[in-house]
Amino acid sequence: DTAVSQTPKYLVTQMGNDKSIKCEQNLGHDTMYWYKQDSKKFLKIMFSYNNKELIINETVPNRFSPKSPDKAHLNLHINSLELGDSAVYFCASSHDRRMRMNTEAFFGQGTRLTVV
Amino acid sequence: KNQVEQSPQSLIILEGKNCTLQCNYTVSPFSNLRWYKQDTGRGPVSLTIMTFSENTKSNGRYTATLDADTKQSSLHITASQLSDSASYICVVSEDSGYSTLTFGKGTMLLVSP
Repeated sequence: DTAVSQTPKYLVTQMGNDKSIKCEQNLGHDTMYWYKQDSKKFLKIMFSYNNKELIINETVPNRFSPKSPDKAHLNLHINSLELGDSAVYFCASSHDRRMRMNTEAFFGQGTRLTVV
Repeated sequence: KNQVEQSPQSLIILEGKNCTLQCNYTVSPFSNLRWYKQDTGRGPVSLTIMTFSENTKSNGRYTATLDADTKQSSLHITASQLSDSASYICVVSEDSGYSTLTFGKGTMLLVSP
């Protein structure tokens, strides 16, 4: 049983297209995240949702729009894809939005997006 | 600006040897420090979580240390195995209302037979 699953694992698309990445967690967590890992390998937070409510939006372009239909799902929709969007996108979840000592963050396997 | 810096950037060791990875951070206010292991093509997996009151914490062959005064941490891997080949990422959490994680760039470890 995969705790945090995201699909697809690989996504190759042309510039200007619109694409979505789906994420689901079966851990019963209240908080979900999207992270971007660029070519320099830094993981940077993009969005955080708590109980379907947006709580963090880290200056991400408007072309990126997260959608949380319920607290177990957080999908990422990207409009008008650009070359610079190529990266690995990770979904994660935690039971608490405050990353305190007893709060684990669980990550999905990642989606490698390549824009050509 | 919150930052986490790790060294070395990459490391190659022989199977069975020990190694130590370093992490320096400037995250404030500090809540806790985590070490993650990220296998190629996979998401990060937590190894240890430490708060300022803890100096050391072990998870099997992994031992993390924390010096909250100097804002330094280390991850020591004992008797390395081929499966230890991965990126090891130091992550620091802020103590705030909806705290975010600040990630280091990671140390790429290759264990050679």
